Amino acid sequence: DAEITQSPRHKITETGRQVTLACHQTWNHNNMFWYRQDLGHGLRLIHYSYGVQDTNKGEVSDGYSVSRSNTEDLPLTLESAASSQTSVYFCASRQDSNTEAFFGQGTRLTVV
Amino acid sequence: GQSLEQPSEVTAVEGAIVQINCTYQTSGFYGLSWYQQHDGGAPTFLSYNALDGLEETGRFSSFLSRSDSYGYLLLQELQMKDSASYFCAVRASRDDKIIFGKGTRLHILP
Repeated sequence: DAEITQSPRHKITETGRQVTLACHQTWNHNNMFWYRQDLGHGLRLIHYSYGVQDTNKGEVSDGYSVSRSNTEDLPLTLESAASSQTSVYFCASRQDSNTEAFFGQGTRLTVV
Repeated sequence: GQSLEQPSEVTAVEGAIVQINCTYQTSGFYGLSWYQQHDGGAPTFLSYNALDGLEETGRFSSFLSRSDSYGYLLLQELQMKDSASYFCAVRASRDDKIIFGKGTRLHILP
């Protein structure tokens, strides 16, 4: 069955370190998204991509970057981790704007 | 700015019906979605409304009124497993960017 997987599921890192969260989907979807989820804020969009070599900033993109070198993967990089980036991160994908989005199981990131 | 408003918490009794409302203020509108999320889990898609009216999928229905910038999710014959958070989400522009509300936590009493 097709799926979307995130790794790692849990990560603890130190302030100032670079961290990369992986997202891999096997649906061959064009559209992929990264969200962060914090209490009281719901899901906030970090970055999104409509296809290979395409990346776009979401509402909370500062301090994050993504790259799309193939259809299946959209890794999220925290250039220099900060305590404010402690959160649960969700990756999602969908084929187009009128279809449902499928979410990965999330990565709980703690920056100490 | 763009915003979606939904109640933070709702409580209902097992077997009953509950309605979760969502009002939105966005620069554009192309559709309203609903997602369910259990504690510790990932959001899962429930429904999508692009046009006015009611969409029914089993025990769940979703309604949209574009003139009122309003929608709701209706859950019937509530079961304990329906205890979860429910998010409304708006596609506010031609691109696929989706804005989520802050979520409504549904508590179900036996």
